[in-house]
Amino acid sequence: ILNVEQSPQSLHVQEGDSTNFTCSFPSSNFYALHWYRWETAKSPEALFVMTLNGDEKKKGRISATLNTKEGYSYLYIKGSQPEDSATYLCASHRGGSNYKLTFGKGTLLTVNP
Amino acid sequence: DAMVIQNPRYQVTQFGKPVTLSCSQTLNHNVMYWYQQKSSQAPKLLFHYYDKDFNNEADTPDNFQSRRPNTSFCFLDIRSPGLGDAAMYLCATSTLAGGPEETQYFGPGTRLLVL
Repeated sequence: ILNVEQSPQSLHVQEGDSTNFTCSFPSSNFYALHWYRWETAKSPEALFVMTLNGDEKKKGRISATLNTKEGYSYLYIKGSQPEDSATYLCASHRGGSNYKLTFGKGTLLTVNP
Repeated sequence: DAMVIQNPRYQVTQFGKPVTLSCSQTLNHNVMYWYQQKSSQAPKLLFHYYDKDFNNEADTPDNFQSRRPNTSFCFLDIRSPGLGDAAMYLCATSTLAGGPEETQYFGPGTRLLVL
């Protein structure tokens, strides 16, 4: 994998459903994986930064896992609420002389009441 | 609250007419970034400043320039906008020059429309 890929591109769930989506990234020279939440008309907001293989992070109903060997991260939302509706972006930080975040296209989540 | 502010939120310009987008921050961060996000695409880094040091991405078109007159402000100048430059432009800040775990703090973006 050369780029950061996110799937699905979009999904609709009902309030109360649990859901998850995937971020795939290059596993070579991996340093960190970032998740952001971007609500319409607002600023992207940092959710998690993960660096170690097997990392699990949790914030309320949202959690994330990291597998650096195979190059993927899952984001889970338990009991989705309408306020969870947003685009979820992941970004990979790779080592080298030019550290920078490489973003995926995002997953657009819509939670229907 | 400390934050990253972008003005205007929406900008309409004409084909070939220079346009400037602005970003200000109250976080006192060393690093400021400009990203371009076209429809259904990933945000793409155009350039960043570490203090006054300017770092251009290799594939950023020459049409795009930036200025950082002081710590708080950073501007994106598009000298001759084309239809393909219509996009969301995001400004972000961080405390270090791209440390891997360093969170970037984003503004709400400016959506540019080129007529």
